[in-house]
Amino acid sequence: QKEVEQNSGPLSVPEGAIASLNCTYSDRGSQSFFWYRQYSGKSPELIMSIYSNGDKEDGRFTAQLNKASQYVSLLIRDSQPSDSATYLCAVKGGSTLGRLYFGRGTQLTVWP
Amino acid sequence: DTAVSQTPKYLVTQMGNDKSIKCEQNLGHDTMYWYKQDSKKFLKIMFSYNNKELIINETVPNRFSPKSPDKAHLNLHINSLELGDSAVYFCASSPLAGASYEQYFGPGTRLTVT
Repeated sequence: QKEVEQNSGPLSVPEGAIASLNCTYSDRGSQSFFWYRQYSGKSPELIMSIYSNGDKEDGRFTAQLNKASQYVSLLIRDSQPSDSATYLCAVKGGSTLGRLYFGRGTQLTVWP
Repeated sequence: DTAVSQTPKYLVTQMGNDKSIKCEQNLGHDTMYWYKQDSKKFLKIMFSYNNKELIINETVPNRFSPKSPDKAHLNLHINSLELGDSAVYFCASSPLAGASYEQYFGPGTRLTVT
């Protein structure tokens, strides 16, 4: 059973702070890692993908991957109220073409 | 410039009925998926097709039958609808070339069974 675990939250941070979202996964053969943002009543939107150990930055978002620890995180700098959403971690397993395993999501609230 | 589209957006129907949801993508992707998101927001894969061929079939009641007439379309037909089928159903697509596997989701179909 391949599992992806996230803190369900809710995580609440003030505007301007750094929000840190964490995810662990069980399949050591996992190769590709994704963060999706889902606003209430909307579909998941891909915001970051990371494939190798280390950090990947895109604007205010930084994804961090540590395959040895089976850990992936998302940092949101200068958090804005518009970042309030549920963040889903998804992991591509080592087998089964194209299959992603999703965590249950972390609900983030950024208050002004 | 809709990338992944689904119809209908909302579907309200009674138990026992049969209904279909349609999905189309114009991204040129090879692979398409159906997901179910329940009231607790857990996103669970149901089916995946790669270039019209079924490659993922999770433990889903056989009342659910996907059909892919071509690689740009993946439809979902549900027979004998039950109360527990009420959920949001998302279609998604992804390329496989280059091992990207990034999946892009449609807007969802909210199914309510009464």
